[in-house]
Amino acid sequence: GQQVMQIPQYQHVQEGEDFTTYCNSSTTLSNIQWYKQRPGGHPVFLIQLVKSGEVKKQKRLTFQFGEAKKNSSLHITATQTTDVGTYFCAGMDSNYQLIWGAGTKLIIKP
Amino acid sequence: NAGVMQNPRHLVRRRGQEARLRCSPMKGHSHVYWYRQLPEEGLKFMVYLQKENIIDESGMPKERFSAEFPKEGPSILRIQQVVRGDSAAYFCASSGWTGPTDTQYFGPGTRLTVL
Repeated sequence: GQQVMQIPQYQHVQEGEDFTTYCNSSTTLSNIQWYKQRPGGHPVFLIQLVKSGEVKKQKRLTFQFGEAKKNSSLHITATQTTDVGTYFCAGMDSNYQLIWGAGTKLIIKP
Repeated sequence: NAGVMQNPRHLVRRRGQEARLRCSPMKGHSHVYWYRQLPEEGLKFMVYLQKENIIDESGMPKERFSAEFPKEGPSILRIQQVVRGDSAAYFCASSGWTGPTDTQYFGPGTRLTVL
């Protein structure tokens, strides 16, 4: 079946370092959505990308959607403790079903 | 502007009992989705419902699990004869009138523990 692979599973960074998570789909996606889940919390919608090659920014977060609409990335510049959590991508397939990545957990080293 | 509401927030059941999880979508939303999340894992889609209809239940286990979204009242996810492996966080999400192409807004989840 259709899959969205998300890597890495975990990323440990020092506060102030950058963080990146990547998602790859086996098929072309209609759109891709990104969510953040804080420890013990629920997923919160961050952004949706629809167009091929689209790049969107939210403060220190940069989201990209690949030209082939099969991959996407989220990059956080200069991480802060408030960025801690798990970041999920979710790709919408041609049947309008969201296929979720397994998430990347951002851990700030003490 | 109430968001998606789920209750109970925590539910403890013994093996063999029934668990009923409730979800009230965001005001104006008629599409509801249920997900399961095991500890340290991602979200697994279970079922997508509109009022009085199950649209997609491809992620729902064939036995013991059922879901409904009646004309009046919340959506219910029902797990019969729970087993330890059912222990997980169950999240409900809702979206607006265009359905799956709309942003999904999540409730706080129900943490089910099966003893």
